[in-house]
Amino acid sequence: GQNIDQPTEMTATEGAIVQINCTYQTSGFNGLFWYQQHAGEAPTFLSYNVLDGLEEKGRFSSFLSRSKGYSYLLLKELQMKDSASYLCAVMDSNYQLIWGAGTKLIIKP
Amino acid sequence: ETGVTQTPRHLVMGMTNKKSLKCEQHLGHNAMYWYKQSAKKPLELMFVYNFKEQTENNSVPSRFSPECPNSSHLFLHLHTLQPEDSALYLCASSQDPLAGGPETQYFGPGTRLLVL
Repeated sequence: GQNIDQPTEMTATEGAIVQINCTYQTSGFNGLFWYQQHAGEAPTFLSYNVLDGLEEKGRFSSFLSRSKGYSYLLLKELQMKDSASYLCAVMDSNYQLIWGAGTKLIIKP
Repeated sequence: ETGVTQTPRHLVMGMTNKKSLKCEQHLGHNAMYWYKQSAKKPLELMFVYNFKEQTENNSVPSRFSPECPNSSHLFLHLHTLQPEDSALYLCASSQDPLAGGPETQYFGPGTRLLVL
């Protein structure tokens, strides 16, 4: 079966760095997405990785290793507004998104 | 308006009611999606429409009935729902997902549904 695993909840301190991991087993691979979802709001697109390596976008970076079935989202200089759920999703061979359950990130002052 | 909009934002209904959820996208996309999001569970894909044609139905019970009159509008008609159907229903849109590459999905804010 297809499976996406990510931690349920993480806590970090304002100004610090946090890494949210995602491991996957899917039927085929057409890229991995990270979305941010604030409580009661729409998931919003953060990043897309299809090749191995690190993609940097401001305070957020996303890493992919296809051979290991592994990705992480790195958030630097954490701000209170970064408190949200972070969703990992893999696009399978049918171009369907397979979703993880999300990681709730709590930022403390 | 821009992006993807959904109405209503909140809905409470009894098990014998009939209601409809509406989604509209202003992004010029060709594909639209319905997802169910329950607490602490992965998003569940319900239906996919591409160029107004239904291309995916993930074994969704018939009490959920989608309608896609054009590429910009998507409805989800609800009837005789069960309490376990209470969840956040999200609509998303993208360019043609089969056009030769993965396409980013853009989401609406969702309808929070409570079935009593």
